[in-house]
Amino acid sequence: NAGVTQTPKFRVLKTGQSMTLLCAQDMNHEYMYWYRQDPGMGLRLIHYSVGEGTTAKGEVPDGYNVSRLKKQNFLLGLESAAPSQTSVYFCASSTPDREGSGYTFGSGTRLTVV
Amino acid sequence: GNSVTQMEGPVTLSEEAFLTINCTYTATGYPSLFWYVQYPGEGLQLLLKATKADDKGSNKGFEATYRKETTSFHLEKGSVQVSDSAVYFCALSDSGYSTLTFGKGTMLLVSP
Repeated sequence: NAGVTQTPKFRVLKTGQSMTLLCAQDMNHEYMYWYRQDPGMGLRLIHYSVGEGTTAKGEVPDGYNVSRLKKQNFLLGLESAAPSQTSVYFCASSTPDREGSGYTFGSGTRLTVV
Repeated sequence: GNSVTQMEGPVTLSEEAFLTINCTYTATGYPSLFWYVQYPGEGLQLLLKATKADDKGSNKGFEATYRKETTSFHLEKGSVQVSDSAVYFCALSDSGYSTLTFGKGTMLLVSP
């Protein structure tokens, strides 16, 4: 199925460890996004990218870094994980070609930092 | 800045009941408005959208009308089913880069 694929689906980290979450889309979408979802908080934008080689900060960027070396991939890195980063992370992509086309979401990565 | 406010849940209904989930927004300019649905253990799926005032979005029996005068985009369905049990998110987009601002979500629980 075409869409947005996130890996891994689950991960447990110890405080201070690092990891990278991978997002891949095969729809040739220009824009890609990383959100985190926490109970009672909805979805909050971490970083986003409007094209290959470009990234920008969202609402909650601290503690995360991103890279978009290829159009189809958007990586989210945690350099030194903290318990506050325990969350479900969602990647999404969209196209600017049509107004209000909406996002296509991945199925999420559940990260626990102990 | 932009913001979206949804009614708090959970909303608990019996099958075939009428559903309303309220959503109001604050934004500059003329945003596009969306409803997304999240089933347990899954990502969000676009349910419906409206891109200008007075537009009505509809899908799978759900409807929402873009009301600029009341800055609202309430979600309605005439007869809910058990399979509609999910979390519903209202969202808006008004930037040139289409970043979405989400509400906190409303859980809907439908019992047989």
